[in-house]
Amino acid sequence: DAKTTQPNSMESNEEEPVHLPCNHSTISGTDYIHWYRQLPSQGPEYVIHGLTSNVNNRMASLAIAEDRKSSTLILHRATLRDAAVYYCILRVPLGGAGSYQLTFGKGTKLSVIP
Amino acid sequence: DTEVTQTPKHLVMGMTNKKSLKCEQHMGHRAMYWYKQKAKKPPELMFVYSYEKLSINESVPSRFSPECPNSSLLNLHLHALQPEDSALYLCASSQESSGYNSPLHFGNGTRLTVT
Repeated sequence: DAKTTQPNSMESNEEEPVHLPCNHSTISGTDYIHWYRQLPSQGPEYVIHGLTSNVNNRMASLAIAEDRKSSTLILHRATLRDAAVYYCILRVPLGGAGSYQLTFGKGTKLSVIP
Repeated sequence: DTEVTQTPKHLVMGMTNKKSLKCEQHMGHRAMYWYKQKAKKPPELMFVYSYEKLSINESVPSRFSPECPNSSLLNLHLHALQPEDSALYLCASSQESSGYNSPLHFGNGTRLTVT
């Protein structure tokens, strides 16, 4: 299975940009890179996903390395509400069912300092 | 607020009880998932339903029995659980399980305690 590696924890000051790294050296050519976050006492929340090109949405930006072996989630201005566990995930095929799932790694716990 | 609704939010049950967890979505998604999450650990996949048919069972013990009565509902029937089954049970849905660029929408989970 394709796996991801993330730092266990990171800290950021409020209103500053945050760059959350992820390594996925065994990624295959058609695997999408997904990012989710989980706030305390809530289910995971979709943040962004991409394949090869950098992606932007209202929540964040995703920068994907040219060789696709790493990616970085960018929060442009961290707020206290961004404190969460951030998961970098590769879509993984599910046996012979022709379906796919997201296998969660350990994630990065982001703390935001006021 | 999430578009995937899970009930109950909290459940305490004894090892001889039978209970059910419920999940509902009205986004027209045709894939639904059960995940289990222990404290301070990432979610782990249990079951995947695609078009109301069970497509994946990740070697889950038979004391957990999923059911998908229709495209909007997903149940997880619990019987003879063990204390180590205490966890947060998360339901999710997506447009279709083979849509590799379809994000998952999660509910906020049911916190289960087995005594």
